[in-house]
Amino acid sequence: NAGVTQTPKFRVLKTGQSMTLLCAQDMNHEYMYWYRQDPGMGLRLIHYSVGEGTTAKGEVPDGYNVSRLKKQNFLLGLESAAPSQTSVYFCASSYPPGLGFYEQYFGPGTRLTVT
Amino acid sequence: DAKTTQPPSMDCAEGRAANLPCNHSTISGNEYVYWYRQIHSQGPQYIIHGLKNNETNEMASLIITEDRKSSTLILPHATLRDTAVYYCIVRDLSGSKLTFGTGTRLQVTL
Repeated sequence: NAGVTQTPKFRVLKTGQSMTLLCAQDMNHEYMYWYRQDPGMGLRLIHYSVGEGTTAKGEVPDGYNVSRLKKQNFLLGLESAAPSQTSVYFCASSYPPGLGFYEQYFGPGTRLTVT
Repeated sequence: DAKTTQPPSMDCAEGRAANLPCNHSTISGNEYVYWYRQIHSQGPQYIIHGLKNNETNEMASLIITEDRKSSTLILPHATLRDTAVYYCIVRDLSGSKLTFGTGTRLQVTL
């Protein structure tokens, strides 16, 4: 099992450029999440998905779009990158929350710099 | 979800127990306490969780006070590889989101 993988690992963008970050999981998880982490801060939820074809906004959704066309993939798009979007982006996946145990599995992160 | 408060940093000597406190005084009856850690900018990793009973697994122990307003994560024999940021998170039974604060940076030293 590869778990949660993220592509690319690093990227440098110029202001105004667009890009898509790909997250893939092979654990058959229903739920997937995108977070961003700025230096010295905890993770903040951008968008999440509770199943194929569904997405929802998290705490900091502005400037990002997402799509979940396949259960195993969750894409994060930046249409017009801004320096404020310089951050490390983490993807995670999980089973639906239920009674008791609930764990999010995280990918290794994508380090994005916008100049 | 209830807010948590953790010290920003702690030190621990290798081989000793590391006791990481967390305050969650507004926790409600159906909220669990979760602990994750993040080693050197990797993705966070689940450690342990509990509702009201003390819990132990291969990584750590979780002690929750009887009134559930605070908890302590215990790493019984800390190693250098335990150096990380530790996050205490309170999650509603049915909630699908984890709210990360700034955590406690644990430095394990020789």
